[in-house]
Formats: sequence, C-alpha cells, structure tokens
Amino acid sequence: AQTVTQSQPEMSVQEAETVTLSCTYDTSESDYYLFWYKQPPSRQMILVIRQEAYKQQNATENRFSVNFQKAAKSFSLKISDSQLGDAAMYFCAYRSGGSNFGNEKLTFGTGTRLTIIP
Amino acid sequence: DAGITQSPRHKVTETGTPVTLRCHQTENHRYMYWYRQDPGHGLRLIHYSYGVKDTDKGEVSDGYSVSRSKTEDFLLTLESATSSQTSVYFCAISDSGGGYNEQFFGPGTRLTVL
Repeated sequence: AQTVTQSQPEMSVQEAETVTLSCTYDTSESDYYLFWYKQPPSRQMILVIRQEAYKQQNATENRFSVNFQKAAKSFSLKISDSQLGDAAMYFCAYRSGGSNFGNEKLTFGTGTRLTIIP
Repeated sequence: DAGITQSPRHKVTETGTPVTLRCHQTENHRYMYWYRQDPGHGLRLIHYSYGVKDTDKGEVSDGYSVSRSKTEDFLLTLESATSSQTSVYFCAISDSGGGYNEQFFGPGTRLTVL
C-alpha cells in the first residue's frame, strides 16, 4: 500500500516571502499522480496543483509550484509571495495511475498547517 | 464550484444510535467517495462508489455502510455510532475514476458521538 508522509505539522512564513512544504511518498508503482490540496478555515478542500509522475517538468500554477523528485519520491510545494489568504492546512495526496479498478482512491498525508505572519 | 451538498452539516448523537449522512451532487459524476478527517491522520477513505449500486470499501470501512440508489445521492450510515466515529466527514465526486482527474469535495459534516 502506498503511504504519504508530511513531516512538518506546522510551518509559518512572513507575508510576501517564500515557503516550501515537504511531502514524501512510498510506492512501487511507476505510474501515478500527486496532488496538493488546500483546506482553509472554512474546511473546504481546494485543489492547488497536480503532477503526473511520467512528466519531468514540474507543475506550476501562478504562485504555486512543485519540486517533483521521482527517484527520491519527494513532492514539495513552494508558495511564492505568500499572502494572508494562503493560511490553511495543506495536504499532499497520491493516486495510482492507469485505469485499473481501484485506482480511484486518493491517499492523503497528515497535513501541514501554514500560518502567514503579517 | 462543483455542485456537492452534504446534510446535515453538524450533528450530535449518542453512542449506539444509527446515523445517516447524505451526499448530493448535481454534476452527474460517476464516482463518489466518503472520507473522514481526524487530527494526525489527514483524510482517510471510508467507502466509494463507481456507479449506481456499485460500491467498495476503503481504508477505514469497519462500522460504516453505504448505499447509492441514484447517481446523485450517496448515503453513509453508521449502524450503531461509537465515540471513535466522532469526526469530520467529507464527500467527494469525480467524473472519471483514475488518473489526472480532480476529486471535488463537499463542505463536510461534523459529527459528534457522545
């Protein structure tokens, strides 16, 4: 079974600075997908960014980017120019690739709570 | 925003009572999921459905059952609630099961079992 580890329960960053959240995962598969979800105090789960394992290029969405290191099984999230609205719990998630039955499930890490300091 | 609603949004119940949570979607998505969120555990899959009347167990299915008689509704039942089932429950939907497709989440239901 796949596991996802987020080793930083809490992080803080000054507004306008850059912060990196760590995520590592364990899998024997070569085809898979990785996701970062944001959960603000409203509790709503919001997809931030996603990465396909077979793509070498790191995904980027505006101020959010990832550092995907497949060999190291690492998938960190970088937030540039941090804003107060970025304060939230961030979850890393894994999904198996392919169309086999059972590949629909997401496996989540335990989350990192990000605080933005004004 | 994906059209997903959960009801009730908050519920307090007593140990041993049955509880049913409802997830309703207006997106006509095939896949529906129930997760629970607990501190220190992230989100864990309870059950999921890949079509009407087609369901399967997730990681933490003991003590829970589900039903899906219509595309739009996915019910989660706690037959006899226990304090360990105090949690926040999220429903999610997706158009396709695997790959790159996003799962969209509902607003969550906070359940307290006394």
